[in-house]
Amino acid sequence: GAVVSQHPSWVICKSGTSVKIECRSLDFQATTMFWYRQFPKQSLMLMATSNEGSKATYEQGVEKDKFLINHASLTLSTLTVTSAHPEDSSFYICSANGYSYEQYFGPGTRLTVT
Amino acid sequence: AQSVTQLDSHVSVSEGTPVLLRCNYSSSYSPSLFWYVQHPNKGLQLLLKYTSAATLVKGINGFEAEFKKSETSFHLTKPSAHMSDAAEYFCVVSDQANFGNEKLTFGTGTRLTIIP
Repeated sequence: GAVVSQHPSWVICKSGTSVKIECRSLDFQATTMFWYRQFPKQSLMLMATSNEGSKATYEQGVEKDKFLINHASLTLSTLTVTSAHPEDSSFYICSANGYSYEQYFGPGTRLTVT
Repeated sequence: AQSVTQLDSHVSVSEGTPVLLRCNYSSSYSPSLFWYVQHPNKGLQLLLKYTSAATLVKGINGFEAEFKKSETSFHLTKPSAHMSDAAEYFCVVSDQANFGNEKLTFGTGTRLTIIP
């Protein structure tokens, strides 16, 4: 139980285009979902917190107009990287929690911007 | 504000010997503490968690950790390392003050290498 999936697992896009990453809780309803970014050989940095039906809360330094987050349902959150640039290349990980302290993590999406 | 410091970026041990991964934390509130493991190209998996219950926490795969408030530490141990334990380990602190919307703060990670 408590499985979180991400799609796609790996995406390559050209500079200036937008890419959407999906995060789904497969067997539970997630009241809150989180988006993290992980640079190679570094730790996870929280980008934003999203609650179903409301606007996401972004961490300081994260551009909300560049990283659009939508939490349309209790099982789906999406992260859209708009006008992507090579410096946006990274590993993006989502997590979801229900009514406990534990967050369940997705397998991550590797974004490469050329 | 909360933070976590993993004292070793890389630990190497021989198969069958004990593992010790060190973690110190700082938190303004009564913290929840976690250890996660990340295998290459896989999602993070929860090893164990401390949430103000027993200070010695047992997790999966033979790992355990002890919460020591006086030392603000939450070190991860395992009596005997297996080759499958080779991975990246993250110590994580959560602010319990915002129930249901907790932010996790990750340490920088410790890469565990097992020598055959």
